[in-house]
Amino acid sequence: IVLTQSPDSLAVSLGERATINCKSSQSVLYSSDNKNYLAWYQQKPGQPPNLLIYWASTRESGVPDRFSGSGSGTDFTLTISSLQPEDVAVYYCQQYSTLPFTFGPGTKVDIK
Amino acid sequence: EVQLVESGGGLVQTGGSLSLSCAASGFSFSSYAMTWVRQAPGKGLEWVSSVSGSHSIYYADSLRGRFTISRDNSKSTLFLQMKSLRAEDTAIYYCARGSGFNYYSALDYWGRGTLVTVSS
Repeated sequence: IVLTQSPDSLAVSLGERATINCKSSQSVLYSSDNKNYLAWYQQKPGQPPNLLIYWASTRESGVPDRFSGSGSGTDFTLTISSLQPEDVAVYYCQQYSTLPFTFGPGTKVDIK
Repeated sequence: EVQLVESGGGLVQTGGSLSLSCAASGFSFSSYAMTWVRQAPGKGLEWVSSVSGSHSIYYADSLRGRFTISRDNSKSTLFLQMKSLRAEDTAIYYCARGSGFNYYSALDYWGRGTLVTVSS
């Protein structure tokens, strides 16, 4: 499965909304459990990735509620509702529905 | 507290071999799938291999035959043996825990990584 992300990068003013898209070359929705096998990770410079969202829309414990995930099947979105300085990072989507698992190319988020 | 600590990285010549380890603590290691992910300098994330709690294994297509993943549940340690290394294998190698017993799960904890540099 190939994941594409858009945009490659974006700059958003503090307090404004940031939206990142992830498109899968085939569905990551399993009908048996009605779950989308898609996750979002945040990676800050010099740090390992950090899990933000799993099952496409479930926020990981401790992740601020300004982060939300949506979508189903092949089209997904990560939204940061009010960008904060600490949100400057690269964001990756990952599918874990079909082996080999794959990551999107990443979207870099900066402050405008 | 869940901790994953990778070791074994370093400089190796083209065609050489290297073995990485990931020491896990703070959770019941045998109950979780484990994964290696790598990141070439300045590049994105690349899934390498996963092993489930029942030792079921899968590799990225491009790495099968050169890399071997294994786990020692008695020592809470994950391994990655790499051979016939190429310049394009140069990367930070991260160990990550799957959030479930099988590897069809998101990666909820990550180590800080170990750098492997392959050079002639």
